[in-house]
Amino acid sequence: EVQLVESGGGLVKPGGSLGLSCVASGFTFSNYGMSWVRQAPGEGLEWVSSITYNSRYIYYADSVKGRFTISRDNTKNSIYLQMNSLRAEDTAVYYCVRSDTAQRAPFDSWGQGTLVAVSS
Amino acid sequence: ESVLTQSPGILSLSPGERATLSCTASRSVSSGYLAWYQQKPGQAPRLLIYGASSRATDIPDRFSGSGSGTDFTLTISRLDPEDFAVYYCHQYGTSPGTFGQGTKVEIK
Repeated sequence: EVQLVESGGGLVKPGGSLGLSCVASGFTFSNYGMSWVRQAPGEGLEWVSSITYNSRYIYYADSVKGRFTISRDNTKNSIYLQMNSLRAEDTAVYYCVRSDTAQRAPFDSWGQGTLVAVSS
Repeated sequence: ESVLTQSPGILSLSPGERATLSCTASRSVSSGYLAWYQQKPGQAPRLLIYGASSRATDIPDRFSGSGSGTDFTLTISRLDPEDFAVYYCHQYGTSPGTFGQGTKVEIK
């Protein structure tokens, strides 16, 4: 069974930093692209960032470019999202998601999400 | 960026009825790279349909997808009580991938 478990969410002040982690199990992690998708409270879904299976290609939404950094460690079956210069509008549940490739593929498995709240 | 507009915003139906959800893209979706997800309260989204019309693993055949270009449809042939949820379309053919704002299917 595919499992994606996020951690690291919490309350942070505007301008602060936070790091999210996602541990994967139940599949050959190093074969898949991985992404982060977020959902603000009561709102829809927004793609945040993607990374290819070998970390060669990385993609960001314009809204987070220059502030967020995605990475992965295939030896630990994990991906990460380092979030800096956080803003109130970054408040959301952040989902770790899997896809066949980092781009041009649907998100076929989702974690349960971790809540990031940016507030003073 | 391709904007996806879903209609209606809310669909009120009874169990056993047919549900038809629409998703219209502001530009043609490359190679039919259109997916549908279901999200229930407090849960993560779940992939239902990809490639506009292919059902994902373990998805019941009462769910079907159709369409091409800019107009896509998700049909639930007969609503089961567990189908009342929010549905999102997602185009992944053009970067950045984008989602529609969602259609809520509620019990009438």
